[in-house]
Amino acid sequence: DTGVSQNPRHKITKRGQNVTFRCDPISEHNRLYWYRQTLGQGPEFLTYFQNEAQLEKSRLLSDRFSAERPKGSFSTLEIQRTEQGDSAMYLCASSPTEYWSSYNEQFFGPGTRLTVL
Amino acid sequence: SQQGEEDPQALSIQEGENATMNCSYKTSINNLQWYRQNSGRGLVHLILIRSNEREKHSGRLRVTLDTSKKSSSLLITASRAADTASYFCATGLRSNDYKLSFGAGTTVTVRA
Repeated sequence: DTGVSQNPRHKITKRGQNVTFRCDPISEHNRLYWYRQTLGQGPEFLTYFQNEAQLEKSRLLSDRFSAERPKGSFSTLEIQRTEQGDSAMYLCASSPTEYWSSYNEQFFGPGTRLTVL
Repeated sequence: SQQGEEDPQALSIQEGENATMNCSYKTSINNLQWYRQNSGRGLVHLILIRSNEREKHSGRLRVTLDTSKKSSSLLITASRAADTASYFCATGLRSNDYKLSFGAGTTVTVRA
């Protein structure tokens, strides 16, 4: 399968624990995005990478959140000291860079559903 | 805060009927995209329309964009049960700003 993959698909954790999610983008895509989606809402942008560089972070991304993309391939999103308000679907997406177009469709993974008890 | 706002929030139609949903946004945009999300799954890109375009078609989908009214519409013709999903509009604000700002979505139910 050459789509975007995310692991784990579901994560249940207790408040205060740390969690880490992984995203594997489509291999030739050099842009990678993280979004968060709560029930009944659309996705909200968290951060994005171009290759290994993290180019933008939303104000939604508190100090407890950190994202990395070593070597410009897969990415991880870590949440430290989880809170009940962190319960959401965390979506990863990737897109290619095409010299003729400055905007592209994004290809989304299936998401990781986080439940904080 | 979310840039787009879809209307209606929910839509129920009979198979074979057309479904129309609208998206309004607040600031000027570079492009607008529509995505579909089946229950509990990731989003699938449907169509992208640039700010200098007014209408695009893709199969049974027709999208219009009115930048003077800051609004877009998505029409699904001859709906099928498989079209049951949530539909989101997403805006890209600038040519060098690749993140998308999504609305809250329209939930479409197609009855057999």
